[in-house]
Amino acid sequence: AQSVTQPDIHITVSEGASLELRCNYSYGATPYLFWYVQSPGQGLQLLLKYFSGDTLVQGIKGFEAEFKRSQSSFNLRKPSVHWSDAAEYFCAVGTTDSWGKFQFGAGTQVVVTP
Amino acid sequence: SQTIHQWPATLVQPVGSPLSLECTVEGTSNPNLYWYRQAAGRGLQLLFYSVGIGQISSEVPQNLSASRPQDRQFILSSKKLLLSDSGFYLCAWRSTGVNEQFFGPGTRLTVL
Repeated sequence: AQSVTQPDIHITVSEGASLELRCNYSYGATPYLFWYVQSPGQGLQLLLKYFSGDTLVQGIKGFEAEFKRSQSSFNLRKPSVHWSDAAEYFCAVGTTDSWGKFQFGAGTQVVVTP
Repeated sequence: SQTIHQWPATLVQPVGSPLSLECTVEGTSNPNLYWYRQAAGRGLQLLFYSVGIGQISSEVPQNLSASRPQDRQFILSSKKLLLSDSGFYLCAWRSTGVNEQFFGPGTRLTVL
C-alpha cells in the first residue's frame, strides 16, 4: 500500500521569499505524484503532477516540483511567494491500477506574512 | 468541459438524523468517482470509490454508505449521524485511463 508523509504541518514565509514544501512517499512501483492546493472552505485544485520523464515538473501559479526516486521525495517549490499563496497544500500518490485511488498526505498549512 | 457539483454546500444536522450528500459530474462518461472526508487539521481520507453504476467499494468501516444510481451521480448517506461524522466531504472524479482526480467544491457537515 502507498503512503505519503508531509513532515511540516505549518510553514510561515515572508512575501517574496522562497518556499519549499516537503513530501515523501512510499509505493512499490513507479508512483504517480501530485500536488494540490486548497483555499479555506474550497475544494482542491491541482498544481502539478508527475507520471514519468523529466523529474522537474512545472505547474500552475509559478510552482515546480522535483521527483527524486533515490530519496522517495517530491518536494514543491516556488521562488517567490505571493500573499495569495497562503493555503493548505497536499501531496498525493496515485496507484497505477484501474481504480486510480489516491493516498494524501496530512497537508502543510502555508501562512504568508507581509 | 467537465464540471463537478456537490450539494448542499453546508449542512447542520442533529445527532441521529439521516444524511444524503449528492455529487454529480457533467461532461464525461463512465467516470471513476470518489468520496473523501477531511476532518479538522487532518488530510483527506478516502471513504468510497466507484468504477461504475452500482459498484461501490468501501475503504474504511464507518457509519456511512455510498450509492451510484446513475453513471454520473454519487451519493453519500447515513441512517443515523454521529458527532464524529462532522467534517468536510469532497467528491472527486477521474476519467478511465487518466491519472488525475478532479475535485468538487465540498460539503461542510456539522453534526450537533
